Amino acid sequence: DVKVTQSSRYLVKRTGEKVFLECVQDMDHENMFWYRQDPGLGLRLIYFSYDVKMKEKGDIPEGYSVSREKKERFSLILESASTNQTSMYLCASSRGTTSYSNQPQHFGDGTRLSIL
Amino acid sequence: GNSVTQMEGPVTLSEEAFLTINCTYTATGYPSLFWYVQYPGEGLQLLLKATKADDKGSNKGFEATYRKETTSFHLEKGSVQVSDSAVYFCAPTFGNEKLTFGTGTRLTIIP
Repeated sequence: DVKVTQSSRYLVKRTGEKVFLECVQDMDHENMFWYRQDPGLGLRLIYFSYDVKMKEKGDIPEGYSVSREKKERFSLILESASTNQTSMYLCASSRGTTSYSNQPQHFGDGTRLSIL
Repeated sequence: GNSVTQMEGPVTLSEEAFLTINCTYTATGYPSLFWYVQYPGEGLQLLLKATKADDKGSNKGFEATYRKETTSFHLEKGSVQVSDSAVYFCAPTFGNEKLTFGTGTRLTIIP
């Protein structure tokens, strides 16, 4: 089975801190994604990557950046954390093709981040 | 543009009841269609999928049929169990575009 591992289940940080969320997958997937999940809003895509060192903005990239130096690892960075970034963050990966439709995404268990 | 509309919750049913969660989409093409489930404290898991018109996806007693004429992919189960309590997400993919999730439907099954 595909395993997507997020480094922390719960994280508490302070306003203005630089925050790193790490995600690792073990199935050699080309595509990786970061979402945030908020009540009533479903999942919203922050950034995604379809190859090492490649990244594309999702629907809500403001205040975030990402890094993909190795195929199996995709990091989400909050440059200067703010209280409105308190949320559940979900990482996912999928096999790459010429189009990344038709391929299901595999999710980690999520990181619940609180910014105080 | 492309979008998905999912039945709002929460939905509360008694054990062994029939379940329907509605999902419709608008698209310029023919998306692949997925249902994901999120159990308490966990990430999302793929429940079932269908990639072309009239395909039926099924898993764990759940079914959904790709209806091109009504642009729908409703999730159904004939007899729900307490262990089905979770949040369910409809998620079409639109060609080369990003996967789009519905807002989720929270389902609670009462013994």
